[in-house]
This record gives sequence, structure tokens and C-alpha cells, in this order.
Amino acid sequence: TQLLEQSPQFLSIQEGENLTVYCNSSSVFSSLQWYRQEPGEGPVLLVTVVTGGEVKKLKRLTFQFGDARKDSSLHITAAQPGDTGLYLCAGARSSNTGKLIFGQGTTLQVKP
Amino acid sequence: DAGITQSPRHKVTETGTPVTLRCHQTENHRYMYWYRQDPGHGLRLIHYSYGVKDTDKGEVSDGYSVSRSKTEDFLLTLESATSSQTSVYFCAISRTSDTQYFGPGTRLTVL
Repeated sequence: TQLLEQSPQFLSIQEGENLTVYCNSSSVFSSLQWYRQEPGEGPVLLVTVVTGGEVKKLKRLTFQFGDARKDSSLHITAAQPGDTGLYLCAGARSSNTGKLIFGQGTTLQVKP
Repeated sequence: DAGITQSPRHKVTETGTPVTLRCHQTENHRYMYWYRQDPGHGLRLIHYSYGVKDTDKGEVSDGYSVSRSKTEDFLLTLESATSSQTSVYFCAISRTSDTQYFGPGTRLTVL
């Protein structure tokens, strides 16, 4: 059972376009993380959101945690080829063990 | 970057042979995790550890065992490798909260 659904799974856009990736669940999470992974490497943490309704910005990336802490979104403004990669969301059900549940990932390709 | 290394980085083995993957950290983090990553499945938790000699199963633990005799090392063992265990394996560490830091991965091929 996939508790975190990411959409879309694949996205191919032109440089300069905007995009949004969604991470949805019927479960409540104590926190949610977004990671970015490049081929041949491990995922790298982009951001952690912990409060319902929280919005965090990282340069051209905007992350939002849903009010009910069941969903999250990642918005990229004016995408660049360097944004190409696999984006993963991961939710924590409890902060006692640090266990995370990962979405399937969104593969983003930004063409110059 | 968190100090996490995995060894080996690549391994090819035959069905039925034992395989041990090593994760080493220099961050003194309490929690350590082993995941496998397969197309269409994302990252799935195999086993995790919340301290020396304290380990527990994840969602895909069948066919895998782990050991943690020191804070810095977390070993993943495939007692008798099968082709279905061909995958990329990632180790991750966490200090006290949910945020995890990942190693570079081990690509394992079981023929």
C-alpha cells in the first residue's frame, strides 16, 4: 500500500517554464521532507516542513505543507536544466524512530 | 555533507551466495537505515536501527538481516542472494528527528 502518492511521475518541460509536483496522502504526517536525487547518487535533502500550512522557499523552489498535514507540493519557478533529477517526498508518521515513508518519486527533465 | 560511506559501491554476485553491505558514518548519529530503490517503487525501508544492537524490521525485510555492533557501522546481509534482490541499496542516518541523510548507494546485481 502506497501511503504517499506523488504526481506526476514524469515531467518533461522547457527551460523557463513553471511546474508543480504534488505529494498526497490520506494519512497525517508529523513532518514531510523533499529530496532531490541525481543519477548514481543518494537523495539529498531539500527541505523539511513540520507545521500545517507552512511555506518554505529555497531560491526558485517553493514548498508547502497542507493545513491538515496530509499533503505537500513543490513548485519550481522558471525551471533550469540544472533542476533535472528525481524529486522524492517523504513523510514521517512518528518522530520516535525517524522512519520515513517515501513517495514513488517524480522524474523531472528540463530541456534547454 | 553528512559523513556516510557505503561499501562496496558495486557488486555482482551469483544466486545463493551470501552478501554483506557496509554502511559507515562519522557523524555519531543514533538512527541508521537500509533502503532499496527500484523503478516504480521509490525507496523502501528494509531494516533500521535506533542504537547499538537495537534493530527492527522495515516493510521489505524478508531475506535480509542486519547488525549494529558499533554506533558508526550498520551491516546489511543477504544470507542467500536471489535475483529479486538486484537493486540499488542506500544507507541513511538520522540524529534525533525525521530528517535523514543518505549515503552514495551500492548497486548490487545478482545473476
